[in-house]
Amino acid sequence: DAKTTQPPSMDCAEGRAANLPCNHSTISGNEYVYWYRQIHSQGPQYIIHGLKNNETNEMASLIITEDRKSSTLILPHATLRDTAVYYCIAHAGGTSYGKLTFGQGTILTVHP
Amino acid sequence: SAVISQKPSRDICQRGTSLTIQCQVDSQVTMMFWYRQQPGQSLTLIATANQGSEATYESGFVIDKFPISRPNLTFSTLTVSNMSPEDSSIYLCSVENQETQYFGPGTRLLVL
Repeated sequence: DAKTTQPPSMDCAEGRAANLPCNHSTISGNEYVYWYRQIHSQGPQYIIHGLKNNETNEMASLIITEDRKSSTLILPHATLRDTAVYYCIAHAGGTSYGKLTFGQGTILTVHP
Repeated sequence: SAVISQKPSRDICQRGTSLTIQCQVDSQVTMMFWYRQQPGQSLTLIATANQGSEATYESGFVIDKFPISRPNLTFSTLTVSNMSPEDSSIYLCSVENQETQYFGPGTRLLVL
């Protein structure tokens, strides 16, 4: 997995959009950008992933730059329950590629 | 997606004893993974378990300490043997399904 860099912490007001950046300047052509979050000692929860195009699902949007060297996870209307550690991982998807390499992630705190 | 359950959810054990953690998934999967998360740290892969073959261990983890079984495509166990307080962690299993990994809720282990 390519190395990713995330800010250690961010704050966001409830109801506002939370924009979490991730740098992955050495990402390979076959590596996807995955986002997970971990809410206080629970198992990591899959959020979204993408290769080149921007992606959106019911939880979030993922914006990947054209050169694929960075991305942003967007939670459009953050709630207190979105307070968690968010992990950005560059990983080649599929059963041939095995483990995910977790960094320290970004601690997102959503406040009232 | 995949729904994963783990047993037990938490346990308190005495040093020198062993604990077996069970992981059950609601669909057949080729690869299952066991991770450890020490207090305040990120996730670290212990081993990869394929059905019908020996588990593959990451550097720093050995089979005598963390024996793994994978009797079928929906179930796996991880045993933490001869425990010491340093083994106090959250142990997580995960599976890969359609290029995405999904995690169980974790087993929180405290060794006294």
